[in-house]
Amino acid sequence: DQQVKQNSPSLSVQEGRISILNCDYTNSMFDYFLWYKKYPAEGPTFLISISSIKDKNEDGRFTVFLNKSAKHLSLHIVPSQPGDSAVYFCAASAVRGGSNYKLTFGKGTLLTVNP
Amino acid sequence: ETGVTQTPRHLVMGMTNKKSLKCEQHLGHNAMYWYKQSAKKPLELMFVYNFKEQTENNSVPSRFSPECPNSSHLFLHLHTLQPEDSALYLCASSQGEWLAGGRPDTQYFGPGTRLTVL
Repeated sequence: DQQVKQNSPSLSVQEGRISILNCDYTNSMFDYFLWYKKYPAEGPTFLISISSIKDKNEDGRFTVFLNKSAKHLSLHIVPSQPGDSAVYFCAASAVRGGSNYKLTFGKGTLLTVNP
Repeated sequence: ETGVTQTPRHLVMGMTNKKSLKCEQHLGHNAMYWYKQSAKKPLELMFVYNFKEQTENNSVPSRFSPECPNSSHLFLHLHTLQPEDSALYLCASSQGEWLAGGRPDTQYFGPGTRLTVL
């Protein structure tokens, strides 16, 4: 049973517009959430994270929103650029449970930003 | 070399072969991980080593045998694999500071080894 779900396998957006990538989770023990980005032939790279004590975290063009009651988070990229085209993975961790190192990943969403 | 490196990048092997995947991190980290990514599946954690000690074996079949001789190197020894073991194998490293209540230990990934078992 998947504890972290990314229901959209792919998303296509025009350059300059907003990209919204969604992620849902089922395990209420998860209290820290991360987004990783992966280009072809490279490993995933850490992008941004959010603790469950917050509902928003912003870093430049990237903002992550967390809705704990809905067990839902989203990554917003504004404005989207062609270089943002990659697979984006949502991951979750139960930090207070002592499993800081254990990440549960979603399947990923392929974002394509068209010039 | 910087970051996390993995060799080989591609590997094709028969079911009776024995091969090894190598991972090296140049970040001064103390924790290293093996993940498996099969087609259309999420990344699955296989093994975790912290300060050279194995702290996690996620019910991985014994045909996968990890080895961590020091904090910078991690191997995955493969023998008598099955075609369904074909996947991308990713190595990662992190500081290894796993204090309860702290923030997650950011993991840095290598580029992966694309394994095909015939």
